[in-house]
Amino acid sequence: GEDVEQSLFLSVREGDSSVINCTYTDSSSTYLYWYKQEPGAGLQLLTYIFSNMDMKQDQRLTVLLNKKDKHLSLRIADTQTGDSAIYFCAEKRSTDKLIFGTGTRLQVFP
Amino acid sequence: DSGVTQTPKHLITATGQRVTLRCSPRSGDLSVYWYQQSLDQGLQFLIQYYNGEERAKGNILERFSAQQFPDLHSELNLSSLELGDSALYFCASSPPGTGRYEQYFGPGTRLTVT
Repeated sequence: GEDVEQSLFLSVREGDSSVINCTYTDSSSTYLYWYKQEPGAGLQLLTYIFSNMDMKQDQRLTVLLNKKDKHLSLRIADTQTGDSAIYFCAEKRSTDKLIFGTGTRLQVFP
Repeated sequence: DSGVTQTPKHLITATGQRVTLRCSPRSGDLSVYWYQQSLDQGLQFLIQYYNGEERAKGNILERFSAQQFPDLHSELNLSSLELGDSALYFCASSPPGTGRYEQYFGPGTRLTVT
């Protein structure tokens, strides 16, 4: 099927690390993405990883990919209140279209 | 700001009507994608154009159509609108070549059908 699954909600304390998880179904996925959506705003491309990589780090963001388990995660170090948003993972398959997950709402409290 | 612009920001219309949503891609981007975000269906791909030609089609209803013009802007036409068409419609663009793996999204058009 086309399902890309994410947990719906994550709550973390400011300064802690956040880990947002995603599972996808298609082993032919070539690129996997993380997008951020703030209230009333569009989707901001945070980072993406090619399927032959296991890990990618970009400042406070670390993406881990386990191809065997079809599991993708996004770790945000030193989470700030400005990180509160909905985070979507997405996969790109043989065409250029993206298949999006259901989104995880991250709430950061002081 | 991604560089992708969409107009209008909000649109309220009645059932049975027709609307046109407009998108201008980032400078240099040849691909334009349309996505629909609704509460029940989530984010779904509708259609992609590349340099004026339709490249891929997703879950786009027959009542919906799109085109990409020579100046690369795109329009999404929604007709015979139903209450269930109320959603956020996003346009995204990507450059040619190796950059095509990056899709940059506009702020969206919120359509409310009453």
